[in-house]
Amino acid sequence: GAVVSQHPSWVICKSGTSVKIECRSLDFQATTMFWYRQFPKQSLMLMATSNEGSKATYEQGVEKDKFLINHASLTLSTLTVTSAHPEDSSFYICSAGGPVKPQHFGDGTRLSIL
Amino acid sequence: GQQVMQIPQYQHVQEGEDFTTYCNSSTTLSNIQWYKQRPGGHPVFLIQLVKSGEVKKQKRLTFQFGEAKKNSSLHITATQTTDVGTYFCARGSSNTGKLIFGQGTTLQVKP
Repeated sequence: GAVVSQHPSWVICKSGTSVKIECRSLDFQATTMFWYRQFPKQSLMLMATSNEGSKATYEQGVEKDKFLINHASLTLSTLTVTSAHPEDSSFYICSAGGPVKPQHFGDGTRLSIL
Repeated sequence: GQQVMQIPQYQHVQEGEDFTTYCNSSTTLSNIQWYKQRPGGHPVFLIQLVKSGEVKKQKRLTFQFGEAKKNSSLHITATQTTDVGTYFCARGSSNTGKLIFGQGTTLQVKP
């Protein structure tokens, strides 16, 4: 069964709305989780590293004020896309695992901004 | 820098033919991981290679890690329609779970 749960699977909302995506590790504790974005027919691009109890580490070119990450517990990280616009429409995927273990990916969230 | 180059971008084969995708890095890789993503799905871990010259097999899939730890390949023997999807290599970190993905190779198999 799934070891990483991501919710919601689909979001369709109006431009200007903020959208929160949850990523949960189901049967293990994850001090670190990762958020990726994937545009159609493209690869996964790492957006940020979510660190439990501390600030997220963002990759170059990713706006931290646009993509708010909160990792308040060892099993939950959230990504909030603030004031979303059509160009933010994408497939957002989280992963969790360990430094020497393979990453488990959530099912992803398809975000469509109208 | 940290990029991993993957070729080809697309491959169409007849069922039963072999398939290979290649990944290259300009710098030494700590480890390389391979993932498969089916259309509409999320990446699923296939394997991790760590040692120089390592070769691992999973049924019809053969994974290789170059001697210099700068390149890797995935070879599928006698493809089946169930092999359809996009195969990604990913550069792994030595001390975190951070992954830098290659561009992926999308495999189409004609029955």
